[in-house]
Amino acid sequence: AQSVTQPDIHITVSEGASLELRCNYSYGATPYLFWYVQSPGQGLQLLLKYFSGDTLVQGIKGFEAEFKRSQSSFNLRKPSVHWSDAAEYFCAVAPNQAGTALIFGKGTTLSVSS
Amino acid sequence: GAVVSQHPSRVICKSGTSVKIECRSLDFQATTMFWYRQFPKQSLMLMATSNEGSKATYEQGVEKDKFLINHASLTLSTLTVTSAHPEDSSFYICSASAPDGPGQFFGPGTRLTVL
Repeated sequence: AQSVTQPDIHITVSEGASLELRCNYSYGATPYLFWYVQSPGQGLQLLLKYFSGDTLVQGIKGFEAEFKRSQSSFNLRKPSVHWSDAAEYFCAVAPNQAGTALIFGKGTTLSVSS
Repeated sequence: GAVVSQHPSRVICKSGTSVKIECRSLDFQATTMFWYRQFPKQSLMLMATSNEGSKATYEQGVEKDKFLINHASLTLSTLTVTSAHPEDSSFYICSASAPDGPGQFFGPGTRLTVL
């Protein structure tokens, strides 16, 4: 069965420091991979996605993620965190066909300290 | 980019009443829409998959008579929580399949509180 694991429930990073949020997936083939961000009481905003091609994907707000097939990982990174990045981050996978639901990880809460 | 709206954004109702939540794709047609439920500090749980013109497919454990889903057009899906009870209080989020391939666009969510 497909699954997504986000090992870190809560991470605190100092403002200006680098960030890496981990995501591992379990799927028989190469899935479609996504990272979403959710601010309190809000919907989900897509940060970036990987379908194929270059394994380093650039997203919005200065985020990037790298797909590593050998590690079944799709970790999210940002070189310098801003206080406004504090939010909940969800990694998700979808089978390689349109019209199918996403499978979400449990999320990582990011706190940013000054 | 594609925009999905939800209405209302917040609703408070009395126990026993029914509540309808609308999900609209504003600038694209969505053959498939999805309804998720999110409890505080938790991830999204898929409730059902809604295809235009056909019956929704519910996930295991989701009562289809409790959560009525109608996808009458390519831009509108509705979720009706019937005879709502306090345990139905939650954050409900809809999404629509991207028109150009995998992926979904999410609505802003609806906060339901049942008193």
